[in-house]
Amino acid sequence: DGGITQSPKYLFRKEGQNVTLSCEQNLNHDAMYWYRQDPGQGLRLIYYSQIVNDFQKGDIAEGYSVSREKKESFPLTVTSAQKNPTAFYLCASSNFNEQFFGPGTRLTVL
Amino acid sequence: SQQGEEDPQALSIQEGENATMNCSYKTSINNLQWYRQNSGRGLVHLILIRSNEREKHSGRLRVTLDTSKKSSSLLITASRAADTASYFCATDSGGSNYKLTFGKGTLLTVNP
Repeated sequence: DGGITQSPKYLFRKEGQNVTLSCEQNLNHDAMYWYRQDPGQGLRLIYYSQIVNDFQKGDIAEGYSVSREKKESFPLTVTSAQKNPTAFYLCASSNFNEQFFGPGTRLTVL
Repeated sequence: SQQGEEDPQALSIQEGENATMNCSYKTSINNLQWYRQNSGRGLVHLILIRSNEREKHSGRLRVTLDTSKKSSSLLITASRAADTASYFCATDSGGSNYKLTFGKGTLLTVNP
């Protein structure tokens, strides 16, 4: 069953903690993306990767970090430097036309 | 930065009616795509129209693209309650990075 998975679905974090969001795909896509969505807003690009061991900053990369050690995996770390991390995070992969999205992770900072 | 802007921000219609959503963008594009998002879920790709195309159909969906006006419209015919969702346009400006730029979306509510 091909697709893209994200875990966990809900995540709670205390201020000052780093947390890592998981994103895995078995679609054999080279490109992967992380977006942030705030209520009533569109998607803003955090980081993207077109190939293993390479990634680029998107529009709102400050306070976030990523790695791309395997083609299938693109984890996102929300660091304590991110001032307002409460949001809905979406991961996507692409065959360089349409993007396929995971179900999202809702992060809440307590 | 957001390239696409959907209009209206929210739309409420009755089942069976048609729904039209518009998207305007600022810079030249390689293609424009429409996505659907049910509340609290990921986005699902609906349709892609290339810059050299003017109209495209997929089931009950009809998309038009006017590159001279930098605008696109999505028409959903004979709407159903299950069509209730947010709809986003996304533009691909070409180049080697394959990034999409999303608008803020139109929230469509179809009342039974």
